[in-house]
Amino acid sequence: QVQLAQSGPEVKKPGASVRVSCEISGDTFFNYAVSWVRQAPGRGLEWMGWVSPYHGETKYAKKFQGRVTLTTDTSTTIAYMDLRALTSDDTAVYFCARGTDSSFYFYMDVWGRGTTVTVSS
Amino acid sequence: SSDLTQDPAVSVALGQTVRITCQGNSLRSYFATWYQQRPGQAPLLLIYGKNNRPSGIPDRFSGSTSGNTASLTITGAQAEDEADYYCYSRDSSYDDWVFGGGTKLTVL
Repeated sequence: QVQLAQSGPEVKKPGASVRVSCEISGDTFFNYAVSWVRQAPGRGLEWMGWVSPYHGETKYAKKFQGRVTLTTDTSTTIAYMDLRALTSDDTAVYFCARGTDSSFYFYMDVWGRGTTVTVSS
Repeated sequence: SSDLTQDPAVSVALGQTVRITCQGNSLRSYFATWYQQRPGQAPLLLIYGKNNRPSGIPDRFSGSTSGNTASLTITGAQAEDEADYYCYSRDSSYDDWVFGGGTKLTVL
């Protein structure tokens, strides 16, 4: 059974960076992408990007380009999301999810439980 | 604003059928993926591709597309279907992937 275990909650000051990890178990790590999605309090879902452990290829949402880096450690099957220059608008729950890319759709079928990141002075 | 537009709220009587829609130009070329999210939980994949349901998703959930509108239909809504529903597909530039704004479903 595939499981995505995310790191614990974070509290950061404005201007700082945060790293959220997502350990994938029970699966072939290389067969899927790892997507990242966030949700601000009381708001909808927001796609941030995905990373392919097999290729190392990444795709970032335009909104986050230059501020987010998605990586994977193939030796530990852990994916990371690094977000820089935090502001209070980055306060959100951050989810990782297993992603599958097809020609005409992309879906995320297994999700982590989410990591709360709070940005406050 | 979102490249995928959803009604903010929809209601349905228990046992009745409800359609949740998602509009966007990209839906003429790409399928929508549908997610259910209950408060405090991670999203749950409901529908992907033309009309595919992952294992464990009840068959009362179905998906369809017509023109620039994708629809999620719940046939015989249950109390546990009360949740937020999100569509997901390409944005209008066909470069990014985006979620719709979400639809809050109330089961009366």
